[in-house]
This record gives sequence, structure tokens and C-alpha cells, in this order.
Amino acid sequence: DAGVIQSPRHEVTEMGQEVTLRCKPISGHNSLFWYRQTMMRGLELLIYFNNNVPIDDSGMPEDRFSAKMPNASFSTLKIQPSEPRDSAVYFCASSYQAMNTEAFFGQGTRLTVV
Amino acid sequence: QKEVEQNSGPLSVPEGAIASLNCTYSDRGSQSFFWYRQYSGKSPELIMFIYSNGDKEDGRFTAQLNKASQYVSLLIRDSQPSDSATYLCAVNPGGGNKLTFGTGTQLKVEL
Repeated sequence: DAGVIQSPRHEVTEMGQEVTLRCKPISGHNSLFWYRQTMMRGLELLIYFNNNVPIDDSGMPEDRFSAKMPNASFSTLKIQPSEPRDSAVYFCASSYQAMNTEAFFGQGTRLTVV
Repeated sequence: QKEVEQNSGPLSVPEGAIASLNCTYSDRGSQSFFWYRQYSGKSPELIMFIYSNGDKEDGRFTAQLNKASQYVSLLIRDSQPSDSATYLCAVNPGGGNKLTFGTGTQLKVEL
């Protein structure tokens, strides 16, 4: 398996623009997680899905952020409108929906909002 | 109180020494504990996990868990310069399958 695939790897956008990050989980995994990593706050869980259903979105910072998982092999994280404070590395991870299972991370998307 | 706490470091150890990384967590319902390693500019990768109280060894790495004290540690024996990275502790609060991470400890292994 190719692992968790994220795109784009890097994104530079202007404040106010819409940004869409994409993720393809590992085939067979039925849990998907979106994390944001910054120097100040570390790795924060934004939202996670089990079997394509959002289970916990309490980490989504505000209404400008939204996430979807239309099928088992694809998820998006959208920021509209983007702000400079959204600049971070966004990771997608996937795992089996079971207790005590590790999450496998994608390579991340480095987002810069200017 | 943060859910998962780690000393940010940097922790500097000489090559060949034992590096000891520590983590505390707040949710007593947590049942599994993970150590991830993250090199600069890369994604986190799993080193090892532990579920039961006591020690678990895997090569040069030993994870230690004390649920009564809500404490997890990672020991790296015979530290190598290639071990220089940030080590992230993760737990699953409430026993579900989501992982909550600490902010990580930066380890530097010096020649």
C-alpha cells in the first residue's frame, strides 16, 4: 500500500481565499483523522471519522473549517476564508476502527496564508 | 491541565548514553499509549505502543507504563545521532480510537 496520501504538499494562498486539502487513507482503514501541527500548540486533532461518519469535530477551531468524507477512500478539509493564523502543517492519518490501534500519518500539507 | 504533557526539551545526551523521555496524562480511562518519532519536516511515525502496566522492550527501545501514576516513559539505549528527533507521546482518552498527542520532546544525541 502507498500509505496515506495527502495533496497538495505545499500551499501558499492569500488571506480570504478558500483552501482545500485532500487525503486518501490506507485501503481498508475505516477511521480517518485530521490534525494540525504548529510550534506553539503541537499536534491538535481537528476532526475524525469512523466509517465515513464524523464522530468528533470538537477540535475544529471555528466555522471557517469544514471536513467531509464522501467515501471510504477520500476526505477533504476546507478552510473558507483562510487567515494567516491558519498557517500550519495539516496531517491526515488513518487507522482501523478499534481500540488500541496505531494511526498512520500522511506526509502533511504545509499551508501558508499570507 | 493538558490531556497529555511532555517536557519540550531539548534533551541532550551523548552518543551511547540512555535517553529517558517522559509523559503524563490526565484521563484515567486511557487504555493504550503510543510513542511516535518525528524528524524535522517529516510526519510522525510509530516507534512502539504499550497497553499494560510495566515494561515493554523492542530493540533499543523500552516503554514503561504506570497507570496508577498516569505516567508513560520511553527509554532509548545506546543513543545514536540518528535518534535525534522529536518524540511524541499519544494516548486514547476514554479508550476510544482517537489519539491525543503531547507537544513532544526534542531529543539531541551529540557525538
